[in-house]
Amino acid sequence: LAKTTQPISMDSYEGQEVNITCSHNNIATNDYITWYQQFPSQGPRFIIQGYKTKVTNEVASLFIPADRKSSTLSLPRVSLSDTAVYYCLVVIPLYNQGGKLIFGQGTELSVKP
Amino acid sequence: EAGVTQFPSHSVIEKGQTVTLRCDPISGHDNLYWYRRVMGKEIKFLLHFVKESKQDESGMPNNRFLAERTGGTYSTLKVQPAELEDSGVYFCASSHQGLAGGPAYTQYFGPGTRLTVL
Repeated sequence: LAKTTQPISMDSYEGQEVNITCSHNNIATNDYITWYQQFPSQGPRFIIQGYKTKVTNEVASLFIPADRKSSTLSLPRVSLSDTAVYYCLVVIPLYNQGGKLIFGQGTELSVKP
Repeated sequence: EAGVTQFPSHSVIEKGQTVTLRCDPISGHDNLYWYRRVMGKEIKFLLHFVKESKQDESGMPNNRFLAERTGGTYSTLKVQPAELEDSGVYFCASSHQGLAGGPAYTQYFGPGTRLTVL
């Protein structure tokens, strides 16, 4: 399973765009890149998933370069409520390995007023 | 739709006692997963059910842990006898069954059960 590396912590201010980069040098051809968000005393919550290029939803954008060895989660105009831990995961499609998630330490994002 | 629910939210027991955690997945989700985070560590996979069958139990720490999913609906995770190192937060997640060659379906997590073993 591909190991991911991301910054342990990041600070930002309200209204700014936050970009969290994750490296996954050993990603396999069939793997997907998934990001989860976790607030204190809650379970992780799915944010976005992609395979290559760019994916955008109502919450975030995910940028994946052609070599897929890294990815960047972009949070536009963060607010205090975006303070959370963000996990980058490489996921094997369900049909092959069951889709279990391998969590790293995540990036603790702190948004200040 | 209702999310993944877990019961109890907190449990405090003494070493050597038995505790049973329950997870109710989102209706219609064939996949059910158990994870846990022990103090200061990362969230770790425990096991995966597809309906009532154990697909992958490679993360179960030892034979003191027993997971069941009778009828392919809710699941229980029993710890017997509990040890101090079992303290942590136990998460349950569920997802749809994936299609061959498709992306991994989103796993929806419950709020977790915080287990404290004294």
